[in-house]
This record gives sequence, structure tokens and C-alpha cells, in this order.
Amino acid sequence: DAGVIQSPRHEVTEMGQEVTLRCKPISGHNSLFWYRQTMMRGLELLIYFNNNVPIDDSGMPEDRFSAKMPNASFSTLKIQPSEPRDSAVYFCASKGQGMNTEAFFGQGTRLTVV
Amino acid sequence: GQQLNQSPQSMFIQEGEDVSMNCTSSSIFNTWLWYKQEPGEGPVLLIALYKAGELTSNGRLTAQFGITRKDSFLNISASIPSDVGIYFCAGQLITNAGKSTFGDGTTLTVKP
Repeated sequence: DAGVIQSPRHEVTEMGQEVTLRCKPISGHNSLFWYRQTMMRGLELLIYFNNNVPIDDSGMPEDRFSAKMPNASFSTLKIQPSEPRDSAVYFCASKGQGMNTEAFFGQGTRLTVV
Repeated sequence: GQQLNQSPQSMFIQEGEDVSMNCTSSSIFNTWLWYKQEPGEGPVLLIALYKAGELTSNGRLTAQFGITRKDSFLNISASIPSDVGIYFCAGQLITNAGKSTFGDGTTLTVKP
């Protein structure tokens, strides 16, 4: 298995532009998580899905952030409009079903908003 | 919400030395996980612990799930330069559908 695949790896955009980050979870995993990592706040959970349904989006910082999971093999995290303070590394992780399972992370998308 | 206290925040050690780091929580977890993150990469799972008191090894790494279910430690024996990175602990509750709460990380530097 190729693991969790995120794209793009790097994104530089101007303030006010829309940004879309993409994630392909590991095949067969039924939970998907979006995290944001910064020096100041560490790893923050933004939202997670179970069987394609959003379960908890309390970590989404503002209405500018939205996430979708139209099917079991694809999810997007969108920021519209983007702001410089959104600059961070965004990770997607997926997890299989069952109690004794762990989340596997993608390589992340480094977002820079200028 | 639940919070994890991970310590130490950073460590500078000589190659060959042993390393110990730990995480504590004010509430219990059903699962403890230890991840390592290298620059430019996502966290990679090192060890998963599912039972209070469980002691698990992975090569030079050993981790334990505390009896109270509120703490865990990770030991690295005979450190080598490639052990450099940020080590994260994470706790999971069954009731949270597997959502992990992460510690702030321990940054390890190994001097050759």
C-alpha cells in the first residue's frame, strides 16, 4: 500500500486566494483526520470523518475552513479566503476500523500564504 | 478537553546514551501511541499500546502503558544519529471514535 497520499506537498498562495488540499487515505480505512501543525500550537485536530461522515469539526478554526469526503478514497480541505496566519503544515491521517488500530499520516502539505 | 503533558520538551544527548521521555494526562486513555516525526515528513507510528501495564519493544525502543492509564513512557537505548527527530505521544479513547490527542513533542538531538 502506498500509504496516505497528500497533494500538493507544497503550496504558496497569495492572501485571499482559495486553497484546496487533497488526501487519499489508505484503502480500507474508514476514519480520516485532518491536522494542522505549527510551531506555536503543535498538532491540532481540525476535523475527522468516520465512514465519510464528518463526526467532529470543532477544531476547524473558522468558517473559512471547510472539509469534504465525497467517497471513501478522497477528502479535501479548503480554505477560502486564505490568510497569512493559515500558513502551516496540514496533515491527513487515516485509521482502520476496530479498537486496536492506529492512525497513519501522510507526508503533509506545507502551506505558505503571503 | 483532554490534554497531554509531554516531557522533556527537548533533549541533547551523546550517541550511545539512553533516552527516556514520558507523557501524562489528567484523564485516562484506552490506547497510547508513540510517533516519530523527521523534518519534512509526517509522524510515523513507532509503538502502539492497548492495555494498562503493557510493555512493548520495537528494536531499541521500549514503551509502557501506565497502570493508571494516565501515563506512558518511551525509552530509546544506545541512541544513534538517525534517532534525531520529534517524538510525539498520543492518547486515544474508544468513545472518541479513535480520535487521538497529541502531546507537544520531545525534540531529540543526538551528537555523534
